[in-house]
Amino acid sequence: DAGVTQSPTHLIKTRGQHVTLRCSPISGHKSVSWYQQVLGQGPQFIFQYYEKEERGRGNFPDRFSARQFPNYSSELNVNALLLGDSALYLCASSPPYKETQYFGPGTRLLVL
Amino acid sequence: AQKITQTQPGMFVQEKEAVTLDCTYDTSDQSYGLFWYKQPSSGEMIFLIYQGSYDEQNATEGRYSLNFQKARKSANLVISASQLGDSAMYFCAMREGDRGSTLGRLYFGRGTQLTVWP
Repeated sequence: DAGVTQSPTHLIKTRGQHVTLRCSPISGHKSVSWYQQVLGQGPQFIFQYYEKEERGRGNFPDRFSARQFPNYSSELNVNALLLGDSALYLCASSPPYKETQYFGPGTRLLVL
Repeated sequence: AQKITQTQPGMFVQEKEAVTLDCTYDTSDQSYGLFWYKQPSSGEMIFLIYQGSYDEQNATEGRYSLNFQKARKSANLVISASQLGDSAMYFCAMREGDRGSTLGRLYFGRGTQLTVWP
């Protein structure tokens, strides 16, 4: 079975721009979570979506938003990019009635 | 307060030896889960092992075992018979909430960089 997929793999943007990151969960998984991992730190939770509804939000500004589509894929949007948004963005999905989150390969975002 | 503490920034182990990576956690919930993930330089987080707070036996998955000491709030990862391919960053994580629920955020530690030498 295919794992979690994310696109693009790498992205370079300039300050003030907008970015959209995409994630497709493992088939059968209805929950998608987004994490930001800054260099040298552990991942920080941004959002969780389940059945197209937001079910959790981390301590991130309103510039960060997300949505989940009927096929359970998800987008993470970041507006007005700052240098500090440079990070690895990880998407994870969970199977029904299970706690484990399975991660994709991530999108490396560099803001110049 | 930190939910997950990993005090070892780096660990070194010789091939075929066992190594223990430390993790302590902080929660007031009775129901929670503990996870270990491996992150190679490529960046992908690879799930290794899970321990539920109500599990009486320590979890094992192949060469990985989780030394769960509830009273001490520790969940150390033991890797037996280390291999060169085990060199990576290892993260301990916790999720608070009921078992069997797919909802809930993961709290991660800062990670331990493991280097296996021949």
